[in-house]
Amino acid sequence: GQQLNQSPQSMFIQEGEDVSMNCTSSSIFNTWLWYKQDPGEGPVLLIALYKAGELTSNGRLTAQFGITRKDSFLNISASIPSDVGIYFCAGQNHQAGTALIFGKGTTLSVSS
Amino acid sequence: DSGVTQTPKHLITATGQRVTLRCSPRSGDLSVYWYQQSLDQGLQFLIHYYNGEERAKGNILERFSAQQFPDLHSELNLSSLELGDSALYFCASSVGADYEKLFFGSGTQLSVL
Repeated sequence: GQQLNQSPQSMFIQEGEDVSMNCTSSSIFNTWLWYKQDPGEGPVLLIALYKAGELTSNGRLTAQFGITRKDSFLNISASIPSDVGIYFCAGQNHQAGTALIFGKGTTLSVSS
Repeated sequence: DSGVTQTPKHLITATGQRVTLRCSPRSGDLSVYWYQQSLDQGLQFLIHYYNGEERAKGNILERFSAQQFPDLHSELNLSSLELGDSALYFCASSVGADYEKLFFGSGTQLSVL
């Protein structure tokens, strides 16, 4: 079945640094989503991508849908303490009729 | 607040028991999805209902079942519980049937002792 490989598994950074994480798939997706999960809460949608090559920003967050349709990355600029959490990528292939598949997450820690 | 309501927030029960988790989707959303989150498996898709009908099944055990009622709320029933069923169970909703832009509830933490 479809698999999403998300890396890195965890990151420890200083406040103010930029962060980059990515997701790769064994098959093609036509939707990529990025979520953030805080402790004790459900995942919250950050950015949605619908077209290969699409680059979308949401404040300090920027995500891109890879040209091959098998990967996506998320960048966070000038990190702040409230960026701490688990970031998940999720992808779906509408034509294949499959469910939204999630990566295993990147845990981000920010020290001030 | 995502607008998706899940109850209860915590549930502690014993092996062999049966529990019911409840979810109310966002106003206007017709789809409800159930996901299981455990430390080693991440977020695993269980089942999807759209406007009262089962739309897709994922890695849902036969001991688990779900339904979506006419008022669009959904219940996930877990029976013959085992220690390994301990996990966070999330409900999510979306407007249509195509999964995109899922909005998640805060989850039910199930502990099977």
